[in-house]
Amino acid sequence: NAGVMQNPRHLVRRRGQEARLRCSPMKGHSHVYWYRQLPEEGLKFMVYLQKENIIDESGMPKERFSAEFPKEGPSILRIQQVVRGDSAAYFCASSPGTGRGRANVLTFGAGSRLTVL
Amino acid sequence: DAKTTQPPSMDCAEGRAANLPCNHSTISGNEYVYWYRQIHSQGPQYIIHGLKNNETNEMASLIITEDRKSSTLILPHATLRDTAVYYCIVRVDLRTNAGKSTFGDGTTLTVKP
Repeated sequence: NAGVMQNPRHLVRRRGQEARLRCSPMKGHSHVYWYRQLPEEGLKFMVYLQKENIIDESGMPKERFSAEFPKEGPSILRIQQVVRGDSAAYFCASSPGTGRGRANVLTFGAGSRLTVL
Repeated sequence: DAKTTQPPSMDCAEGRAANLPCNHSTISGNEYVYWYRQIHSQGPQYIIHGLKNNETNEMASLIITEDRKSSTLILPHATLRDTAVYYCIVRVDLRTNAGKSTFGDGTTLTVKP
């Protein structure tokens, strides 16, 4: 029973390039969340998605960042024209969305660490 | 979701119980208390959650006061591998209200030999 799978685990990009981070949720989970953690800081919510829908993107920067969770395949967090301030760990989590008391229990992936040179 | 308050740091001796407090005085009747931890650089890990009754699993126990305004996470026999940041989160658990969980600064627990 594989957990939440994120790839790549480490990604290096030069300023101005694009970064794509992928997340496959746990089997049976239809809710996906992306969090960002800057060095020495806490987890900050970015976006919450269900299949083919963005439910809450209140934590997403207004420019350069986008997320999707297509009907088939993993969720993708895309960062265009990366800058050094985008260097961080990006964590994906999934939840079942159902089940009394367990609907919103989050299972996290190991994270993708983006370094912008 | 109700706000939570946790001490920024705590120490615990290896083999002793670690008791991590969380204050959530504005909690409402349909909000659950969740605990997660993040061991350095790893993805956060779910520990336990509860509504009003005390809960226990293989990792920890959760004690919620009768008025539900505070709770304590208990690691009965702390090991060095329990050194981590522990987060207490309060949120409604309704399918129709699924959404973000907000992580605060948590408590950094250091287990010492």
